[in-house]
Amino acid sequence: EAGVAQSPRYKIIEKRQSVAFWCNPISGHATLYWYQQILGQGPKLLIQFQNNGVVDDSQLPKDRFSAERLKGVDSTLKIQPAKLEDSAVYLCASSGRTSVSSYNEQFFGPGTRLTVL
Amino acid sequence: QQQVKQSPQSLIVQKGGISIINCAYENTAFDYFPWYQQFPGKGPALLIAIRPDVSEKKEGRFTISFNKSAKQFSLHIMDSQPGDSATYFCAARPKIIFGKGTRLHILP
Repeated sequence: EAGVAQSPRYKIIEKRQSVAFWCNPISGHATLYWYQQILGQGPKLLIQFQNNGVVDDSQLPKDRFSAERLKGVDSTLKIQPAKLEDSAVYLCASSGRTSVSSYNEQFFGPGTRLTVL
Repeated sequence: QQQVKQSPQSLIVQKGGISIINCAYENTAFDYFPWYQQFPGKGPALLIAIRPDVSEKKEGRFTISFNKSAKQFSLHIMDSQPGDSATYFCAARPKIIFGKGTRLHILP
């Protein structure tokens, strides 16, 4: 099956500009996650969607970050305006297949590397 | 309390050796502990996972050892190969928290 697709793969912007990232999850996966991975650190969950509803956005900096998942499939993450500290890899993941653990395995996309100058 | 502390930050192992990465947690509400492997330019991929009611889980060359009383768990990679060179993350759920990662390099 096709994996999680993300675009663009790389983006360089000036601070105070806006940027948007796109994610297409694995077909049929109801749950979609956006993570921020700063260099040298583990991914940090920004927002989790179940279909097109938000399950958890407690770590999303809502003054500048926004995300939507229209029609419960593709999702976009936007930063407006960007700050230097937003430089990171933004990972999208999806899950939907039930496993014996009862936690659905998350499948990650390759990420978008954002550099803010 | 929501942290997962991972060590070492980097690790170099000879081919054929055993690689050991350790993690510790505080929150007893964590009930599922996955390990992820990440190659440069790729997203993390689930490697192996364990629940706290099990002390050890083995899948091929990868083993998780879990010490519930000490709130520690570790990943052991037996017969380490150059292809295992990657960054490894421990994590804890339900609300997924990742460790800071260990960069593993296997010498050929």
